[in-house]
Amino acid sequence: AQTVTQSQPEMSVQEAETVTLSCTYDTSESNYYLFWYKQPPSRQMILVIRQEAYKQQNATENRFSVNFQKAAKSFSLKISDSQLGDTAMYFCAFMKRNGNKLVFGAGTILRVKS
Amino acid sequence: KAGVTQTPRYLIKTRGQQVTLSCSPISGHRSVSWYQQTPGQGLQFLFEYFSETQRNKGNFPGRFSGRQFSNSRSEMNVSTLELGDSALYLCASSSGPGQNTEAFFGQGTRLTVV
Repeated sequence: AQTVTQSQPEMSVQEAETVTLSCTYDTSESNYYLFWYKQPPSRQMILVIRQEAYKQQNATENRFSVNFQKAAKSFSLKISDSQLGDTAMYFCAFMKRNGNKLVFGAGTILRVKS
Repeated sequence: KAGVTQTPRYLIKTRGQQVTLSCSPISGHRSVSWYQQTPGQGLQFLFEYFSETQRNKGNFPGRFSGRQFSNSRSEMNVSTLELGDSALYLCASSSGPGQNTEAFFGQGTRLTVV
């Protein structure tokens, strides 16, 4: 079975600064996907970024980038130039390559302060 | 393209009653997954349907059931409601297992059992 661990229950960052959210996972699979989802107060789950485990290059999406360390089973999210709209709960999630079931971490509440 | 639609958005039921929640996936998507979100247990996978067949089931009692129709719309049913069933129920839609793995979430149904 796969497990996903987010060790930071809450974090805060000043507007315009950079913050990194941590995630580790455990799996015996060799091919899989990792995701970061954002859930703002509206409760709508929004995909932030996706990483395919067989790709060594770290994924980036505008101000969001990941540091994927496959051997260490680590998948952190870096948010640059933080904005007030980034305030949300962030979930790290795992999916097997040919599956469709997401395994989520417990989440990290991120507060961006002005 | 319309997003994932979940109905109703809010629901209040009494212990012992049953409830049916509905999810209409994005047009063309054939896979629907359901998740339960609670403050204590976080996001937990309930079940996944693809082409009217249940592919995966999470570790929930038999009171939780679901189905998928030929138009890919899905329903989940919870019978003999308990206070602990109070949660946000999220539905996710995707093309199918292993195909363009992005899952799009609905806004959820907030179920309160009193």
